[in-house]
Amino acid sequence: AQSVAQPEDQVNVAEGNPLTVKCTYSVSGNPYLFWYVQYPNRGLQFLLKYITGDNLVKGSYGFEAEFNKSQTSFHLKKPSALVSDSALYFCAVRDPMFSGGYNKLIFGAGTRLAVHP
Amino acid sequence: GAVVSQHPSRVICKSGTSVKIECRSLDFQATTMFWYRQFPKKSLMLMATSNEGSKATYEQGVEKDKFLINHASLTLSTLTVTSAHPEDSSFYICSARLGGGSYNEQFFGPGTRLTVL
Repeated sequence: AQSVAQPEDQVNVAEGNPLTVKCTYSVSGNPYLFWYVQYPNRGLQFLLKYITGDNLVKGSYGFEAEFNKSQTSFHLKKPSALVSDSALYFCAVRDPMFSGGYNKLIFGAGTRLAVHP
Repeated sequence: GAVVSQHPSRVICKSGTSVKIECRSLDFQATTMFWYRQFPKKSLMLMATSNEGSKATYEQGVEKDKFLINHASLTLSTLTVTSAHPEDSSFYICSARLGGGSYNEQFFGPGTRLTVL
């Protein structure tokens, strides 16, 4: 079965400090992994994805994520946090080998990032 | 990135009435569209997947007669909440996938806040 875990409900970080939002996954095959951000009362915005290739993926707004197959993780990172980064972040996985459900995305529970001035 | 719109952004209705929510992909053709429901401080719950011109595939536990989905064209999908009740109050988000490949990211609409009195 496919699943995604975001172990932290909330992450607090001071502006200018590096941030990490954790994500681990479970799929039967090689995963397609995604990060999305949601601002209050808004839909989700795509940040980045890993399909294949380099384990370090760079995305929008200075975010990056590292795919670690041995640890089945895809943590989101940013070298220097901004107050405007405060939002809800979702990790998602799609198993391309899963034949049912039109390859649907499975979302983690979300992690609220709070960046303090 | 690709743009997905939803209308209305907010709707308040009386119990027993039906509400239609539209989802449009503005600058691309979406073969597949998804409808999600998001409860406060919770992750997205996939309700159904629809492909243009065919019947929607509903997730387990989602009543197809309650939540009618139509995907009549490559740019428009509608979700109709029939005989709405207060427990249907939620944030509904649609998503459209760019292209048919499972590696393609999904683009999300801004969401519709439904309040049933």
